Amino acid sequence: AQSVAQPEDQVNVAEGNPLTVKCTYSVSGNPYLFWYVQYPNRGLQFLLKYITGDNLVKGSYGFEAEFNKSQTSFHLKKPSALVSDSALYFCAVIPPRRGGGNKLTFGTGTQLKVEL
Amino acid sequence: DSGVTQTPKHLITATGQRVTLRCSPRSGDLSVYWYQQSLDQGLQFLIQYYNGEERAKGNILERFSAQQFPDLHSELNLSSLELGDSALYFCASSVVGGVTETQYFGPGTRLLVL
Repeated sequence: AQSVAQPEDQVNVAEGNPLTVKCTYSVSGNPYLFWYVQYPNRGLQFLLKYITGDNLVKGSYGFEAEFNKSQTSFHLKKPSALVSDSALYFCAVIPPRRGGGNKLTFGTGTQLKVEL
Repeated sequence: DSGVTQTPKHLITATGQRVTLRCSPRSGDLSVYWYQQSLDQGLQFLIQYYNGEERAKGNILERFSAQQFPDLHSELNLSSLELGDSALYFCASSVVGGVTETQYFGPGTRLLVL
């Protein structure tokens, strides 16, 4: 089955410290990987995606993610966390294939809490 | 603001009833997706349309149906509602539905079935 896993339900970090939200995937071939963020009572906001090329992807609000094929991971990172980064983060994958649409398969989400 | 609009924002109804959720995609986007977010199932893909035609189907119940109209807006119809259908329903859109495209999500419709 094509899937992504977010092993941590919650990540706590102090403001100003670096943050990492983990994501691993299990798909055949080279996947297309995405990160979205959900603030309370809001929709999902796109942060970044990996399609091909440079393994380090830079996205919105200072976030970046590194695609690691050998470890089948796509961890989300930010050098210096802000309290306003506190939200629910989702990793998602679209497996590479022809036809059949392009549904996003989401992980279970990781709640990020940034404290002063 | 993603440019995707959904109405209504909230919906409260009773078991056995039927509701219609509406979505307007971003200007220029031809493909629309519906997702369901619930505590039990997480975020799940329901169905995708491209320019009025069904493109892909996910874990959508037979009691649920959708369509995309010539003006590209989409409606998700939920019938014979059950308590377990209570969830946040998201619509997303992308340009032509290609696998590398970003899907932009609307704010969602929160459905509560009593």
